[in-house]
Amino acid sequence: TQLLEQSPQFLSIQEGENLTVYCNSSSVFSSLQWYRQEPGEGPVLLVTVVTGGEVKKLKRLTFQFGDARKDSSLHITAAQPGDTGLYLCAGSFGGYQKVTFGIGTKLQVIP
Amino acid sequence: GAVVSQHPSWVICKSGTSVKIECRSLDFQATTMFWYRQFPKQSLMLMATSNEGSKATYEQGVEKDKFLINHASLTLSTLTVTSAHPEDSSFYICSARLPRGSNQPQHFGDGTRLSIL
Repeated sequence: TQLLEQSPQFLSIQEGENLTVYCNSSSVFSSLQWYRQEPGEGPVLLVTVVTGGEVKKLKRLTFQFGDARKDSSLHITAAQPGDTGLYLCAGSFGGYQKVTFGIGTKLQVIP
Repeated sequence: GAVVSQHPSWVICKSGTSVKIECRSLDFQATTMFWYRQFPKQSLMLMATSNEGSKATYEQGVEKDKFLINHASLTLSTLTVTSAHPEDSSFYICSARLPRGSNQPQHFGDGTRLSIL
């Protein structure tokens, strides 16, 4: 079983602050996804990264994939209350179909 | 694109009842779909991988006779919780992956909240 560590588990910040969420594994990811989930709903895909060193931006969200493809980060600039939610990283290893999910980061942005 | 629809969104039923949950890929064909279970304040736990036209692959500890999966077409997979009991109460989520390779992300349905009285 591949283990995927995500940190921090909880984050409460003021509107306008910046934050970073981390996702790490001891194994090399074939691909990695970041999802955002709201209570009572399914996860919504934010981004997929595949290439080591890759950086993708989605408005105020910046996603980085480590050169060795063992880690990734999600950085949010000037957080807004609408960013509140559960952020999940999910990775696949060795080309297998199924993915492993991190425990999630519960983000609360206080107005 | 890549829309996954899950139905029903909420089920409340008596203990001993069997409950069927449907997962449909609306705008693409999915040879593989996945069923997850999520407990409050926890991450998603994979229950089984549903393969069109063949038997599902269940994760360790998941009872295949309890959670019946049928993937009879390229756009529909169903999960039936048989003889449900209160401990089966949970949030069940399905996902489907675009068929263009193993690096394609999974797209999720909105989940089904199952409450067994």
